[in-house]
Amino acid sequence: GAVVSQHPSWVICKSGTSVKIECRSLDFQATTMFWYRQFPKQSLMLMATSNEGSKATYEQGVEKDKFLINHASLTLSTLTVTSAHPEDSSFYICSARESTGADSPLHFGNGTRLTVT
Amino acid sequence: GQNIDQPTEMTATEGAIVQINCTYQTSGFNGLFWYQQHAGEAPTFLSYNVLDGLEEKGRFSSFLSRSKGYSYLLLKELQMKDSASYLCAVSTTGGGNKLTFGTGTQLKVEL
Repeated sequence: GAVVSQHPSWVICKSGTSVKIECRSLDFQATTMFWYRQFPKQSLMLMATSNEGSKATYEQGVEKDKFLINHASLTLSTLTVTSAHPEDSSFYICSARESTGADSPLHFGNGTRLTVT
Repeated sequence: GQNIDQPTEMTATEGAIVQINCTYQTSGFNGLFWYQQHAGEAPTFLSYNVLDGLEEKGRFSSFLSRSKGYSYLLLKELQMKDSASYLCAVSTTGGGNKLTFGTGTQLKVEL
């Protein structure tokens, strides 16, 4: 089945630094990837849609300058949390579909637990 | 905007049947997914409905009524390992068929 790999699985950083999270589709190509954020005991919140070769589409309320997304190839999207603050501490999960059809389920990476001290 | 609602928590007994409901209000509806998520892990795909009716897959079944904006996930012969969060997600046209997730239902299976 389709595999999405996310790295790192956890990271601790100091306030003010930047953190990059990688999301790779291992056995399929993904023109679109989705980045979600999840707070403890809450559901997944869509942050942005990453589009290969073009700008990401951000959801309302998500700061594009703070959460930089780059989708340089058909198998790799990156999310960079810039100038991280403690309130950015969260579980970040990326996902992708094998095909563009609406019935194609999203396959998720294992997530990245970010802690900003 | 979109509104997707689920009960926050449910408790059921091992071996029993449980139904988890999901109601939604959205435009550009393109299908509904159910996912299972264990604590600290990524969600895993359970089922997909786009037409009205029941889809059965082993111990899990999912139902959809588009006119009522309603879906449910039915879990039979509950096992302890079914204790998890169950997420209803609506797919909408445009934006790469993005998925918007409901609030999630935390299911606890007891002996």
